[in-house]
Amino acid sequence: NAGVTQTPKFRVLKTGQSMTLLCAQDMNHEYMYWYRQDPGMGLRLIHYSVGEGTTAKGEVPDGYNVSRLKKQNFLLGLESAAPSQTSVYFCASNRGTPARTEAFFGQGTRLTVV
Amino acid sequence: GQNIDQPTEMTATEGAIVQINCTYQTSGFNGLFWYQQHAGEAPTFLSYNVLDGLEEKGRFSSFLSRSKGYSYLLLKELQMKDSASYLCAVRARSEKGGYQKVTFGTGTKLQVIP
Repeated sequence: NAGVTQTPKFRVLKTGQSMTLLCAQDMNHEYMYWYRQDPGMGLRLIHYSVGEGTTAKGEVPDGYNVSRLKKQNFLLGLESAAPSQTSVYFCASNRGTPARTEAFFGQGTRLTVV
Repeated sequence: GQNIDQPTEMTATEGAIVQINCTYQTSGFNGLFWYQQHAGEAPTFLSYNVLDGLEEKGRFSSFLSRSKGYSYLLLKELQMKDSASYLCAVRARSEKGGYQKVTFGTGTKLQVIP
């Protein structure tokens, strides 16, 4: 049981380049999330999805787009990377309901934009 | 919005007990999570509280007081492997219903020393 898998694990981009981060979960979870984690800022929600075909904005959505074409996959796109997007990106998923629905996280993607 | 406060860093001795506090301000409170995150790794779930009181799980316990907007994570018989960041996360119902937002604190970095 792989849980939540993110690819790639590391990436260096030049300013203006684009890329897609892939998240896959095999737990049949309804909810999926993309967070970024920066020193002193904690985990901040970029976008989330409450089911296949749905997406919604989180706290810091600007500069990112997402898609959830299949229930098990949640893609995060950077159309034109900026140095401010240098961060560690985590994907997470959970059942959504009922109450005790802890999130399961992927191992993270370390992105550097130069 | 939500406001979550926890100490930035703590140091404790191997074999001792340490308490990590978390205070929060939110409307529509619907649960508090604690996650552990080792350096360079993904957060992993530790505990969940939605009712007042203490939840015990082995060496770890978590307490919640909803009226005070306060929680703590208690770690007993500290081991070197407990050196990690501990993230407090609060879930709250939105006024519109549906998705329940989870907001993370910035985390407390715990160093266990011999």
